[in-house]
This record gives sequence, structure tokens and C-alpha cells, in this order.
Amino acid sequence: DGGITQSPKYLFRKEGQNVTLSCEQNLNHDAMYWYRQDPGQGLRLIYYSQIVNDFQKGDIAEGYSVSREKKESFPLTVTSAQKNPTAFYLCASSIGQPRGNQPQHFGDGTRLSIL
Amino acid sequence: SQQGEEDPQALSIQEGENATMNCSYKTSINNLQWYRQNSGRGLVHLILIRSNEREKHSGRLRVTLDTSKKSSSLLITASRAADTASYFCATPGRAGGTSYGKLTFGQGTILTVHP
Repeated sequence: DGGITQSPKYLFRKEGQNVTLSCEQNLNHDAMYWYRQDPGQGLRLIYYSQIVNDFQKGDIAEGYSVSREKKESFPLTVTSAQKNPTAFYLCASSIGQPRGNQPQHFGDGTRLSIL
Repeated sequence: SQQGEEDPQALSIQEGENATMNCSYKTSINNLQWYRQNSGRGLVHLILIRSNEREKHSGRLRVTLDTSKKSSSLLITASRAADTASYFCATPGRAGGTSYGKLTFGQGTILTVHP
């Protein structure tokens, strides 16, 4: 079955620690996205990548970093510079450009909390 | 700022009733998408309506789009307890713009269907 896998499902971060959230897709999609969702809120875009080895900042990139070395993988690192990391993180993918504006497929999220 | 804003924020109905959710947006769009999110899960794409379409159906879902009023509505007919979820509208950036390939999500409508 094609889809997006996020791991781990739950993650705890200690003070001053960097943590990395995994996102893997086997849909052969070019574009991948990371969103942050706070309780009762919509989604805010952290980073996105339209193609391998390229990515752009979204609306709330400060305190986060990403890499896109493989088409299938788009890991997100929450650095110690992100002072309020507690949230639900969602990864998504889509066919991407030049067919931009296509529906996005989502993983089931990683819930990050501070210890 | 959010492009799409849903109304109402929360909706509580009985099984068998219809549920209507509205979405307003600010700038011109190529299409508008609706997503569903069950508690603690990722989003699932429901339906995409293009700017040259006024109405679209998918099973018990009916979506309308009024580009002159910059608004859309999602109607779920004969609702079921399993329809309980949050529903989001999302609008993409236009080709050639800095937001191309990105979706902006509204805050969502929380729908509760009582058995």
C-alpha cells in the first residue's frame, strides 16, 4: 500500500536537545511538506520541498531544519532554538510542480512534548 | 495570516441531520480543497473544486464555490456518528507567486454527530 509513514508517534524532548522526526513516502511524489498543528488550530507550514536537494522555508521555519537527500524522505529536526516545540507535527506529500496545487496526502503525525 | 476561515468553529448535530460548513478566503484561487481530520490522525483529502466549477458532489458530500463572494461550503447529508471529525478548507498559491505549490489551511470546523 502506498502512503506516508511518520515516526515516532510520540516523542519527548529534553531542554537543549535537538530531536528529529522521520517522514517517508512511497507514493513517488516530488513535493513534501511539514506542518505544525497546535490544539484547536489549523495547520501552519514549517518547510516544504518541491524536489530532491531543494527546500524552502514556510511560515514558521525558525527553530527547525530539514533535509531532502532522497525523494522518499524528508526528516524534520526540531532544534533547541525552538522554545515552544510542543505540538502535533504532520508530514504531507503531493505530486508537486508543474502540476502544483494538487491534493496533499498526510501521515498520521508525531506528537512532540517537552520533558 | 490564514487564507481560509471556516464557520462555524464547532457544530453539533444528531445523526441523520445535514451538516453545513462554510469557508471564506481572501485572494483569487485556482481551486479550493476540503480535508477531514479524525482526532489524533492526519488529514484526509475529501474533494477539490476548481475555480470554474460552482458545485461538486462526492457521495454524501456536496461542495459549492462562489468566487464572487470568495466563499465555499461543504454539505454532509444524512450525517453519521462516524462523520465526527474536524473539517478544513485549504487554498493553494497561484502559479508564478511565492506561494505556488503551497496550501494554506483554515482553522477548521469541529463537527460532532450524536448517535
